[in-house]
Amino acid sequence: KQEVTQIPAALSVPEGENLVLNCSFTDSAIYNLQWFRQDPGKGLTSLLLIQSSQREQTSGRLNASLDKSSGRSTLYIAASQPGDSATYLCAVSLTQGGSEKLVFGKGTKLTVNP
Amino acid sequence: DAGVIQSPRHEVTEMGQEVTLRCKPISGHNSLFWYRQTMMRGLELLIYFNNNVPIDDSGMPEDRFSAKMPNASFSTLKIQPSEPRDSAVYFCASSSYRGTDTQYFGPGTRLTVL
Repeated sequence: KQEVTQIPAALSVPEGENLVLNCSFTDSAIYNLQWFRQDPGKGLTSLLLIQSSQREQTSGRLNASLDKSSGRSTLYIAASQPGDSATYLCAVSLTQGGSEKLVFGKGTKLTVNP
Repeated sequence: DAGVIQSPRHEVTEMGQEVTLRCKPISGHNSLFWYRQTMMRGLELLIYFNNNVPIDDSGMPEDRFSAKMPNASFSTLKIQPSEPRDSAVYFCASSSYRGTDTQYFGPGTRLTVL
């Protein structure tokens, strides 16, 4: 059974710091990996999607990497801002019995202090 | 586009009552997902439809839960009878491909069963 773990569960940093969020998964047979952002009381917003054949994706100050063989992904946030405060969830896409589904980690709650 | 629309946003009910949650996916998307989010278990996939057909309902916790998608623009998740342990935030998401593309999430329905 695929399990996704995110460390740390919570992180507090001062504004301007570069930071890394970690995600690990137990089964390397994935189709893709996604990073989502969730603001309090809101739904999830997709930030980056990395196909299994890719090593990384970048969007603005965000960079996500994927190492399928070791079952790890990182989300790098450069020059953090208070507006980056949110919970970040990692999810892997896999097939089971012919269907496709996302398995989520429990997230890392990020607080960026002004 | 208005995005994924869910109603109601909040629902408070008493144990034993029937609860119906509603979802309107993004127009043109052919996959729809129902998730449940709790502090203890995180975000879990309950059921997934492709072209209005249920593909995988292995995440549905028990027979008290049922989901339907009568057409491409509407889905319901019903709980009958409801129990306090069903209290959670229920999200609907849609995507334009069979689950391996980015999923777009609705704002969620916060359900409280007393």
